[in-house]
Amino acid sequence: EDQVTQSPEALRLQEGESSSLNCSYTVSGLRGLFWYRQDPGKGPEFLFTLYSAGEEKEKERLKATLTKKESFLHITAPKPEDSATYLCAVPPDSSNTGKLIFGQGTTLQVKP
Amino acid sequence: DTGVSQDPRHKITKRGQNVTFRCDPISEHNRLYWYRQTLGQGPEFLTYFQNEAQLEKSRLLSDRFSAERPKGSFSTLEIQRTEQGDSAMYLCASSLDQGETQYFGPGTRLLVL
Repeated sequence: EDQVTQSPEALRLQEGESSSLNCSYTVSGLRGLFWYRQDPGKGPEFLFTLYSAGEEKEKERLKATLTKKESFLHITAPKPEDSATYLCAVPPDSSNTGKLIFGQGTTLQVKP
Repeated sequence: DTGVSQDPRHKITKRGQNVTFRCDPISEHNRLYWYRQTLGQGPEFLTYFQNEAQLEKSRLLSDRFSAERPKGSFSTLEIQRTEQGDSAMYLCASSLDQGETQYFGPGTRLLVL
């Protein structure tokens, strides 16, 4: 069964303390890996899409990278406003509809 | 910016009542998805529409759930005879094409008492 696993489940950082979030997946034919940010009580907000191993994308303090079996979301010098839950998702092998399988998310808290 | 909108944002109902949620996708998007999210978990796929055709339903979508997308525009999700286990955030997303980015609405938070 296709799975997406994120680690750690929760991460507390001091402002300016860089770190990385991990997303591992089991689908064999990757058709895109999607990163979203979700604030409490709101819908997920799109961040990045990665399609092939070695691909990297950046946005402000965030950089997403992709290997054959996992993706990393690197956060450089985070600020308190980066506090949120970060979700990754992939389309499963078993469907061509474009639906996504999500990981459980990593909840990031950045303290000033 | 006309993103995905959902109505209502919050709904409190008593067990056994019926509820209906509405989603308005981004206007040019022909693909529409419904997901359900419980606390501490990622969204789980419920159903998918391409234009007005419902092409996939999750086994999570019991007989009490029904979704429609008349004329390929807005969509509704109805839950009949609600149960406490239906309490969750119901999210709608739309995309332009398969493999394209899905953009999510703000969600409807349902609480069944």
